[in-house]
Amino acid sequence: KAGVTQTPRYLIKTRGQQVTLSCSPISGHRSVSWYQQTPGQGLQFLFEYFSETQRNKGNFPGRFSGRQFSNSRSEMNVSTLELGDSALYLCASSGGQGNEKLFFGSGTQLSVL
Amino acid sequence: QQPVQSPQAVILREGEDAVINCSSSKALYSVHWYRQKHGEAPVFLMILLKGGEQKGHEKISASFNEKKQQSSLYLTASQLSYSGTYFCGTDFSGTYKYIFGTGTRLKVLA
Repeated sequence: KAGVTQTPRYLIKTRGQQVTLSCSPISGHRSVSWYQQTPGQGLQFLFEYFSETQRNKGNFPGRFSGRQFSNSRSEMNVSTLELGDSALYLCASSGGQGNEKLFFGSGTQLSVL
Repeated sequence: QQPVQSPQAVILREGEDAVINCSSSKALYSVHWYRQKHGEAPVFLMILLKGGEQKGHEKISASFNEKKQQSSLYLTASQLSYSGTYFCGTDFSGTYKYIFGTGTRLKVLA
């Protein structure tokens, strides 16, 4: 069974640009959640999607958005990039019933110059 | 509301034991534990639900005390492969909003 796939693996952008990251969950998983990981803040929850609906979101500005498609693949978008957005962005998939094991992808390392 | 983990970092020799603690100021419904090796994705270790039950994974076990809003991860006879950063996490009563602890960096030396 293929794991969670995130693309691209690395991205370098400049301030003010926007970026789109992709996450393909494990086959059969309907929940995808996104996290920002930085050395100082650890793993911070961005949002969670289940069957194309956002069920919860973290405390991030509106520049961070996401969506989920009918095949459960998910994308997150960050507009007007700031230097502080440099981080590892991880997504995780699960069945979506709560209190379940999360399967994480290897992440997208975003560097904003 | 981020759970606080202690210690922040620990260095062990192979064969030694370690305990990692996770405390929350908010009521916990369940606790997850994950390990992340450098440059890799976090990997699920175990999940504990209300009732103080212990779960085990290889020589790693954990406990959950919902009254104290605490969970502890026990690593016995540590191996080099145990090195990594350990995170506790919860979704606070099934809100689908997973909050992770501050992390504990563990290094096992030969």
